[in-house]
Amino acid sequence: DQQVKQNSPSLSVQEGRISILNCDYTNSMFDYFLWYKKYPAEGPTFLISISSIKDKNEDGRFTVFLNKSAKHLSLHIVPSQPGDSAVYFCAASGASGTYKYIFGTGTRLKVLA
Amino acid sequence: EAQVTQNPRYLITVTGKKLTVTCSQNMNHEYMSWYRQDPGLGLRQIYYSMNVEVTDKGDVPEGYKVSRKEKRNFPLILESPSPNQTSLYFCASTTLGGTQYFGPGTRLTVL
Repeated sequence: DQQVKQNSPSLSVQEGRISILNCDYTNSMFDYFLWYKKYPAEGPTFLISISSIKDKNEDGRFTVFLNKSAKHLSLHIVPSQPGDSAVYFCAASGASGTYKYIFGTGTRLKVLA
Repeated sequence: EAQVTQNPRYLITVTGKKLTVTCSQNMNHEYMSWYRQDPGLGLRQIYYSMNVEVTDKGDVPEGYKVSRKEKRNFPLILESPSPNQTSLYFCASTTLGGTQYFGPGTRLTVL
């Protein structure tokens, strides 16, 4: 039973355009969400997070949106750059302090120059 | 430099031969965890530790053991590896705010 789902295994976007990566979750107890980026032969690196008390968090070119009623979050990258080409994972955790994380299966983003 | 290190990075072994993958962090984090990454399944948590001598099972703990005798180290032990444990393993160290820092990964092949 996949509690965190990334339904698009891959996405291609032209350089300079917006990349939108989506993530759905089923557990309403999740209250903290994160996005990670992973390059080949490296560990995932933290990108941006959002708490359930917010619906948007921004950090430079990266913005995460959270729609609690739809149990959906999305990562927007504007403008997309070739260096953004990587696999992106969303993750969720529930009840502050548990530190138990559930990850999605990842979306491979390819930014075309 | 803040980092999480894992050793070895690559390991090929045979069924039943006990092995240990080490993990060390220099950020003084209390919380650490182990994940495995498999195609189509994303990252799945194996074990986690909330402090020295405090460990608990994640989603896929079968066939693995861990120990946390010191805050900086969190080794993953496979007492009797089997081919279905062939995977890419990541150790992570977590800040109080919940952000995880991952090691570079250990690619394990069990023949």
